[in-house]
Amino acid sequence: EAGVAQSPRYKIIEKRQSVAFWCNPISGHATLYWYQQILGQGPKLLIQFQNNGVVDDSQLPKDRFSAERLKGVDSTLKIQPAKLEDSAVYLCASSFRTSGAAEQFFGPGTRLTVL
Amino acid sequence: SQQGEEDPQALSIQEGENATMNCSYKTSINNLQWYRQNSGRGLVHLILIRSNEREKHSGRLRVTLDTSKKSSSLLITASRAADTASYFCATDSRRNNNDMRFGAGTRLTVKP
Repeated sequence: EAGVAQSPRYKIIEKRQSVAFWCNPISGHATLYWYQQILGQGPKLLIQFQNNGVVDDSQLPKDRFSAERLKGVDSTLKIQPAKLEDSAVYLCASSFRTSGAAEQFFGPGTRLTVL
Repeated sequence: SQQGEEDPQALSIQEGENATMNCSYKTSINNLQWYRQNSGRGLVHLILIRSNEREKHSGRLRVTLDTSKKSSSLLITASRAADTASYFCATDSRRNNNDMRFGAGTRLTVKP
């Protein structure tokens, strides 16, 4: 079974530039998550989708971050404009159902460096 | 905001020894999960324990949950060098929209 795919794996940009990350979840997984993991910390949930609808985006900095999952499969996360404090690994995860009792499968992440 | 806090922050042991990591949390939870993260395989699910369970086993892993103390422990027996990784607990609760909230993790080093 193919895992969660993410691209790019690494990205270096200057502050105030824009960047986008892509995620392809495991086939059949209706729920998709984006997490931000700052060095030395645990992952922090940014947004959760159930199919193509947003379930929870309460921790997403909406002034600069946006995410979409138009067809209920792939998802993109965008930052515009980027700040130095956005340097982190952005993890995408998927699960079969929306529930804290569901195991989440994580992608390899995109390491973003903002200079 | 993060829900769980792992203790210790870092742990170094010799191969063959047991490793115990603890997780404390603040609000009532539905479930608690443990994940492992290393550079080779990313973040991987290890075990889930529900709030009405007290202990679960999976291979060399043993997880306990004490809801009265709002704490959990992960025991890895007969550790191997390949167990070197960061270990995170994650909890979900109705207070946090049933989202998973991760702690900062315990960095485990197993010396060969």
